[in-house]
Amino acid sequence: AQSVSQHNHHVILSEAASLELGCNYSYGGTVNLFWYVQYPGQHLQLLLKYFSGDPLVKGIKGFEAEFIKSKFSFNLRKPSVQWSDTAEYFCAVQLNFGNEKLTFGTGTRLTIIP
Amino acid sequence: GAVVSQHPSRVICKSGTSVKIECRSLDFQATTMFWYRQFPKQSLMLMATSNEGSKATYEQGVEKDKFLINHASLTLSTLTVTSAHPEDSSFYICSAREGGRLMNTEAFFGQGTRLTVV
Repeated sequence: AQSVSQHNHHVILSEAASLELGCNYSYGGTVNLFWYVQYPGQHLQLLLKYFSGDPLVKGIKGFEAEFIKSKFSFNLRKPSVQWSDTAEYFCAVQLNFGNEKLTFGTGTRLTIIP
Repeated sequence: GAVVSQHPSRVICKSGTSVKIECRSLDFQATTMFWYRQFPKQSLMLMATSNEGSKATYEQGVEKDKFLINHASLTLSTLTVTSAHPEDSSFYICSAREGGRLMNTEAFFGQGTRLTVV
C-alpha cells in the first residue's frame, strides 16, 4: 500500500520568507499527486495537482510544487509567504488508474508571523 | 471547481442515538465518494469508499455495521453513525469524484461535519 510522509510537522516563518514543505511517497508505480490546504475552521481546498507532463506544477496563491520521480518527492514551495498562508497543508497521493482513494500525509502546520 | 455540499456542518447527539450525514455533489455526477475522519491536529483517515449503486468498501479497522454508507444516486451519499458514543465524536469529511475508471479525475471535498456525542 502507498504511504505519504510529511517530515515537517510545524513550520514557523516570518512574512516574506521562502517556504518549502517536504512530501515523500512510497509507491513504485505511476501516481497522481496533490497538495491541499486547510485554513483554520475551513474545509480542504486543492492547491495544486500533478497528473502528468511538466513536473513543475503551479497552483493557486503563488504556490508551486516539483515532482521528482527519482526521489519520490513532491515538495511544495512558495518564494514569499504571507500571514494569510497560515494553515495546515496536506500532501496526498493517488494511484494512477481511476477511482482510487487518496492517501494523505500527516500534514504540516504552517504559522506565519507578521 | 466543482462543489460538494455536506450537511449538517455541526451536530450534537446523545449517546446511543444515530446520526445521518449527507454528502451531495451539486454540479457533477459523483461516481465515487469517499468518507474520511479527521481527529484534532491529525490527517484525514479514509473510512470507506463508495461507488454508486454498490456496497461500500471499508478500510481496515472501520466497523461497517456502525458506520453505514449509502450511495444510492450519483449525487448523494450518506454516512450514518449508528448507536453513537462519545468516542465517535470527530470531524467527518466526504469527497466526491467524477468520472469512471481509467480517468484522472480530481476529488472535491465537502466542508465537513463536526459530530459531538454527549
